[in-house]
Amino acid sequence: DTAVSQTPKYLVTQMGNDKSIKCEQNLGHDTMYWYKQDSKKFLKIMFSYNNKELIINETVPNRFSPKSPDKAHLNLHINSLELGDSAVYFCASSQFNSYEQYFGPGTRLTVT
Amino acid sequence: AQSVTQLGSHVSVSEGALVLLRCNYSSSVPPYLFWYVQYPNQGLQLLLKYTTGATLVKGINGFEAEFKKSETSFHLTKPSAHMSDAAEYFCAVTGGGNKLTFGTGTQLKVEL
Repeated sequence: DTAVSQTPKYLVTQMGNDKSIKCEQNLGHDTMYWYKQDSKKFLKIMFSYNNKELIINETVPNRFSPKSPDKAHLNLHINSLELGDSAVYFCASSQFNSYEQYFGPGTRLTVT
Repeated sequence: AQSVTQLGSHVSVSEGALVLLRCNYSSSVPPYLFWYVQYPNQGLQLLLKYTTGATLVKGINGFEAEFKKSETSFHLTKPSAHMSDAAEYFCAVTGGGNKLTFGTGTQLKVEL
C-alpha cells in the first residue's frame, strides 16, 4: 500500500502554462506539506496544512496556490509557470507536532 | 530559528568501511533532529530521529546517530558500509512545531 502518493510523477510543460500536482495520503495523518527540491538537491518547505487549514506559508510566489479539500489530500496549483519552477516537488504528511514526516515519491516538473 | 550544516557534500567510502556523515545544527530552543535518506529518483525515508531521552539513537539499516549538545552535532554513522547504502542523506532540525529545516545533503558513494 502506498502511504503518500503523488500524481503525476513527471510533468513537462512550457513557460506560461498552468499545472497542478496532486497528493494523497492513507496514513490517517492530519497534516500535509509541500516541499521543493532544486537542482542542487536543496529541500525547502513551501506550505503546510493541518486539518485543511494553512499553517505554514513560506515565502513562495503567489503563482503557487495549495488547496486541501480534506485532510487526506493536498494539491498544488501553479500558474504562469517559469523556468525557475523546474524542480522536484515532494508532498509529505504527519500527525500534527509528531515531527516525523512521511514523504511521497516526488513530482519532477520541467518547464521549457 | 533553526539551521543545519552538513559538512561534505560528497563522501566516498569502501564497502565494509565505517560511514560517518557530519551534521551540525543551530537552534535557539531544544532541537529535534532527524536523518533522512533519499535513493535515486525516490522520496525521502526517515532513517532515525532524536527527540528527547537517550542521546544515542538507532535507526534502520544499521545506522545510528549521537546527539551531542555541547558540540551541537548529530553525526550519522554505520560501522560497515554496504553498496546499497549509496544515496543522498539529509539532516534536518525542528525546534518544535511542524517546520523541518533541512541541510544541503551529503551524497554517499560506496566503492568496491
